[in-house]
Amino acid sequence: NAGVTQTPKFQVLKTGQSMTLQCAQDMNHNSMYWYRQDPGMGLRLIYYSASEGTTDKGEVPNGYNVSRLNKREFSLRLESAAPSQTSVYFCASSLVSGGAAGTDTQYFGPGTRLTVL
Amino acid sequence: QKEVEQNSGPLSVPEGAIASLNCTYSDRGSQSFFWYRQYSGKSPELIMFIYSNGDKEDGRFTAQLNKASQYVSLLIRDSQPSDSATYLCAVNIDQAGTALIFGKGTTLSVSS
Repeated sequence: NAGVTQTPKFQVLKTGQSMTLQCAQDMNHNSMYWYRQDPGMGLRLIYYSASEGTTDKGEVPNGYNVSRLNKREFSLRLESAAPSQTSVYFCASSLVSGGAAGTDTQYFGPGTRLTVL
Repeated sequence: QKEVEQNSGPLSVPEGAIASLNCTYSDRGSQSFFWYRQYSGKSPELIMFIYSNGDKEDGRFTAQLNKASQYVSLLIRDSQPSDSATYLCAVNIDQAGTALIFGKGTTLSVSS
């Protein structure tokens, strides 16, 4: 049971390049999330998917797109990277089962460290 | 704009002392409250969740929730150097209970 996995672990892009960050979970969770973390800014929600087939914007969605490929996988795409998108990106998942206690707990992947030059 | 506020710290306590971490939130409709710990360079990991007013204890950790004051806290008893980390408070922001807003975190330093 690997939990939440993310690829790649590190990436350097030039301004204007595109890339997709991959996330997968093997816990049969219903909901998945993408965050970015910048020094002094805490975790900020980019997009989330409450269930397979749905996606919603979070606090900072501009410049990003997401795809919930299936129940296991949730990808984040940067179409035209900008230096302001230099950050650590975390994917997370949660079970969320009918309001049962604790099922909205989010479990995080190891992160992707992205630098845009 | 829904917000979660934490003192950034650093909060410094000696080994064996009680560390008190505080968090306030803006949305009165929030129902789920979480404390995560994050070591430098690592991903956040759950310490506790709390849904009801009052105290919830788990080992050396106690979460306290006061919905009327929109305040949640975390007490760490018998603090250890291994507790040195950033502590993140998180609150749910949607009715489905899925999406969370995180505070910026409080950095705790426990000296031996």
